[in-house]
Amino acid sequence: DAKTTQPPSMDCAEGRAANLPCNHSTISGNEYVYWYRQIHSQGPQYIIHGLKNNETNEMASLIITEDRKSSTLILPHATLRDTAVYYCIDTLNSGGSNYKLTFGKGTLLTVNP
Amino acid sequence: KAGVTQTPRYLIKTRGQQVTLSCSPISGHRSVSWYQQTPGQGLQFLFEYFSETQRNKGNFPGRFSGRQFSNSRSEMNVSTLELGDSALYLCASSSSGANTGELFFGEGSRLTVL
Repeated sequence: DAKTTQPPSMDCAEGRAANLPCNHSTISGNEYVYWYRQIHSQGPQYIIHGLKNNETNEMASLIITEDRKSSTLILPHATLRDTAVYYCIDTLNSGGSNYKLTFGKGTLLTVNP
Repeated sequence: KAGVTQTPRYLIKTRGQQVTLSCSPISGHRSVSWYQQTPGQGLQFLFEYFSETQRNKGNFPGRFSGRQFSNSRSEMNVSTLELGDSALYLCASSSSGANTGELFFGEGSRLTVL
């Protein structure tokens, strides 16, 4: 079972920031937080990941609390194409070793015009 | 470069039949994972292959099997199909280096079992 908890759904107005929360209270010290999204009828798409520092890339920003028990994915200027299910996952990142991702139910983000 | 390619995209089978799905990973990627997605269970890990060896396996019955070829292409097979096997089967590839949680998914093969 997934070890993360996310709200089932959220709405956001187009052009505004979308802030998607995730609780991962049982995350261990060597587990990273990964975010993926899945647009309808497509395969999941990697967004961003982090260990304990905040991270930013061209798609989003990831804010991880100091105790690492929760994080927030931020889409700074949401567009209609950002409507998707967003998954937060905690996983090992030990470089080259085997792993598997355990997806939860995610958050359905709906961006409204 | 080309993304992950899965074939066929759609297929319909009847109970008791078997099916083989194919996945071509991104060039240079040696790890291929398979996931099953259904409305009820969500995305579930099936297995992962690296250099033709299965490294990890999910909790699925033995009817689900896979293999990987020397060119990293992978196939999965489901025998004695059941209605509950109707699902979107997703393949993902990754490099063997760092950031192993970063998977690149294909668009999936949608299997309908009648």
